[in-house]
Amino acid sequence: DTGVSQDPRHKITKRGQNVTFRCDPISEHNRLYWYRQTLGQGPEFLTYFQNEAQLEKSRLLSDRFSAERPKGSFSTLEIQRTEQGDSAMYLCASSLPTSYETQYFGPGTRLLVL
Amino acid sequence: AQKITQTQPGMFVQEKEAVTLDCTYDTSDPSYGLFWYKQPSSGEMIFLIYQGSYDQQNATEGRYSLNFQKARKSANLVISASQLGDSAMYFCAMREGPWWAGNMLTFGGGTRLMVKP
Repeated sequence: DTGVSQDPRHKITKRGQNVTFRCDPISEHNRLYWYRQTLGQGPEFLTYFQNEAQLEKSRLLSDRFSAERPKGSFSTLEIQRTEQGDSAMYLCASSLPTSYETQYFGPGTRLLVL
Repeated sequence: AQKITQTQPGMFVQEKEAVTLDCTYDTSDPSYGLFWYKQPSSGEMIFLIYQGSYDQQNATEGRYSLNFQKARKSANLVISASQLGDSAMYFCAMREGPWWAGNMLTFGGGTRLMVKP
């Protein structure tokens, strides 16, 4: 049973460039979450999908951020016109809707904006 | 107010001893879930243990147990017989609302545990 995978694992970009990250959840997990973690802090929620529907977005998700999950399987997170403050670890998690719903996390994509 | 508070930024424990990592939470929702995750230096968040607000017994998973005190709104993680591989950041997290609602997790600031040989 493969876990959550994320690609790329690391990304270095220049300020103003666009970047896109991909997350492949555990198969059959219909819920998918994106979080952002800055150095020394706990992860912060960005957005959540159930199947292909984006059901919740944090106020942290500015207009420059967009997420999709077109067929209810993998998801992409795009950041347009990156800023230095976007430098962080971007974590993806997936879950099944069970009574003890547990979110399983991928290895993360570490973004550095120069 | 912070929803999840972890008051210990860093802790040392001797190998083979037990250690307790503190977590207090704040919610007015009667239905919630509490989680502990381990994050080694590689960055991946590893699920350790879960406690539901209506669970009568404290959760246990191998060497991990959760000391759930509902009235005090605390959910401390106890690691028995510490191993060198337990050195990592530990995060307490809460899901507010029933499980079927699919709510986000709110994380605390974490505790860095260092196991001494």
